[in-house]
Amino acid sequence: GEDVEQSLFLSVREGDSSVINCTYTDSSSTYLYWYKQEPGAGLQLLTYIFSNMDMKQDQRLTVLLNKKDKHLSLRIADTQTGDSAIYFCAESVSAGKSTFGDGTTLTVKP
Amino acid sequence: DARVTQTPRHKVTEMGQEVTMRCQPILGHNTVFWYRQTMMQGLELLAYFRNRAPLDDSGMPKDRFSAEMPDATLATLKIQPSEPRDSAVYFCASGLQGNYGYTFGSGTRLTVV
Repeated sequence: GEDVEQSLFLSVREGDSSVINCTYTDSSSTYLYWYKQEPGAGLQLLTYIFSNMDMKQDQRLTVLLNKKDKHLSLRIADTQTGDSAIYFCAESVSAGKSTFGDGTTLTVKP
Repeated sequence: DARVTQTPRHKVTEMGQEVTMRCQPILGHNTVFWYRQTMMQGLELLAYFRNRAPLDDSGMPKDRFSAEMPDATLATLKIQPSEPRDSAVYFCASGLQGNYGYTFGSGTRLTVV
């Protein structure tokens, strides 16, 4: 079945860039997503990328997709303490359900 | 901003009691999901609906869990009887055809004692 894997933890200094990585197994994935979850809250969709794209930029966020290696990354420029949260990678095939990774806990140190 | 509304936000109940969680999806979204989140298992898909019809409930313990959409503005998840191992945060999410991502509710934190 589909599988999405992420490293569990990442720690960075305020002002540095953060890069969160994700790998997936389903080569027919059509959409790939990044969600953010803050304590006590639901997941919030940050951005998504279609599988026919290599890169998408949205303000401080840059998503890179390497479809050949089935590798997705999220770069957060100028990371702030407010970016501390759990970040989930997810994929879906066409209009189907999404498969989520286990989440990467990002800690931003002042 | 449109949002997914879940009630109650918190529920503490005794083992064996029935629990009902409710979700109001975003108007116009035709796909509704129920997820459960625990520290040990992460995010698990329990069931999902499209145009109110159940598409997949394979993640749900059938003997005690049931999910329904009595109308387009309400989704329910019931547990009867509840057990301590059901303690978790239950999220509802809605989307359009499942494309472009989902909008999650704030969750129902269930504690079964």
